[in-house]
Amino acid sequence: EMQLVESGGGLIQPGGSLRLACAASGFTVSSNYMIWVRQAPGKGLAWVSVVYSGGSAYYADSVKGRFTISRDNFKNTLYLQMNSLRAEDTAVYFCARDWGPDGLDAFDIWGQGTMVTVSS
Amino acid sequence: SYELTQPLSVSVALGQTARITCGRKNIGSKNVHWYQQKPGQAPMLVIYRDSNRPSGIPERFSGSNSGNTATLTISRAQAGDEADYYCQVWDSSTLVFGGGTKLIVL
Repeated sequence: EMQLVESGGGLIQPGGSLRLACAASGFTVSSNYMIWVRQAPGKGLAWVSVVYSGGSAYYADSVKGRFTISRDNFKNTLYLQMNSLRAEDTAVYFCARDWGPDGLDAFDIWGQGTMVTVSS
Repeated sequence: SYELTQPLSVSVALGQTARITCGRKNIGSKNVHWYQQKPGQAPMLVIYRDSNRPSGIPERFSGSNSGNTATLTISRAQAGDEADYYCQVWDSSTLVFGGGTKLIVL
């Protein structure tokens, strides 16, 4: 069974750092485009970052320069390093897999989400 | 920035047909995907590339995309269809979601 499991969320003070992990099973993270999406309380889905199978990475303007997406091929895990966190980064963070062979397609596998709360 | 416009809510009587729209100039030139999200759950893909259903999605769910509007149609609406629905496209290397539509089944 193909599955994604996120971890690493929690309560963090403004200006702090946190690293989220998204462990995959049943498929290879490095063979697919992978994304992070977030959802603030009561709000809609918002794209955060994508990493292509070839390694290129792109970010939403709201997180550019503060967040870094990466993957560990040996651990088959996707990461999101979040620095200089702000109150507006408070959200549930989901990782997801792009199922298209060439990417830029739909997302068929989603993690359960991990909550990040930025507050003093 | 690229934006997709969805109605905040759509109401449908039990057993009737609901249509949720996703608007943007010339969206017909894009592949549009649709997700269903129930409270406390992750999104779930219900339509990909405008009109295709993933395995396990009922035939009651269908999609179309032309001109400036993509549409998700839910036939014979059931109470279990009550959820938030999001459209999604790629704009170059940027992923874009619509604002989401709450489907209310009466």
